[in-house]
Amino acid sequence: GAVVSQHPSWVICKSGTSVKIECRSLDFQATTMFWYRQFPKQSLMLMATSNEGSKATYEQGVEKDKFLINHASLTLSTLTVTSAHPEDSSFYICSARGGGEETQYFGPGTRLLVL
Amino acid sequence: EDQVTQSPEALRLQEGESSSLNCSYTVSGLRGLFWYRQDPGKGPEFLFTLYSAGEEKEKERLKATLTKKESFLHITAPKPEDSATYLCAVQAGGSYIPTFGRGTSLIVHP
Repeated sequence: GAVVSQHPSWVICKSGTSVKIECRSLDFQATTMFWYRQFPKQSLMLMATSNEGSKATYEQGVEKDKFLINHASLTLSTLTVTSAHPEDSSFYICSARGGGEETQYFGPGTRLLVL
Repeated sequence: EDQVTQSPEALRLQEGESSSLNCSYTVSGLRGLFWYRQDPGKGPEFLFTLYSAGEEKEKERLKATLTKKESFLHITAPKPEDSATYLCAVQAGGSYIPTFGRGTSLIVHP
């Protein structure tokens, strides 16, 4: 149980385009979803937290107009990187928590490369 | 401010050489301490959740323990496939956001 999927697993795009990443909880209802960014050989950096049906809460320094997060249902959250630039290239990982548990379960991650 | 410190930053072991990873924490009202394993290029894989001091959990060669100030992840007779980065996180009572440590990179040589 407690499986979280992400799609796509990797994406290459041109500078200036927008990219959408989906995060799904497959076998539980995720009341809270988290989006992280991870640079090579560094730890997870929390970008934002979203609760189903509510606006996302962004961490300090994360541009909410650039990283659009939607958590429209209990099994799906999306992260849209708008007008992507090469510095947005990174590994993006989502996680989900629900069912009254404190444990969050992570997706496999999405590698984004902006050319 | 909640703090989580993992040590050592990196650890090299020979296959079969048992050892422990440490996660020390300073939080108000611990609601849960979590251990994850992360392989390069992948999302963290859940290992254990511990809720109260004295609690222990085991899975294959791994055993996690918890005190009021720290947690240990004991690795018994490790194998090369145990090589990964091990992350510790804590959930405090006053926050709904877990705090992660920087991880311990473990390499097990055959």
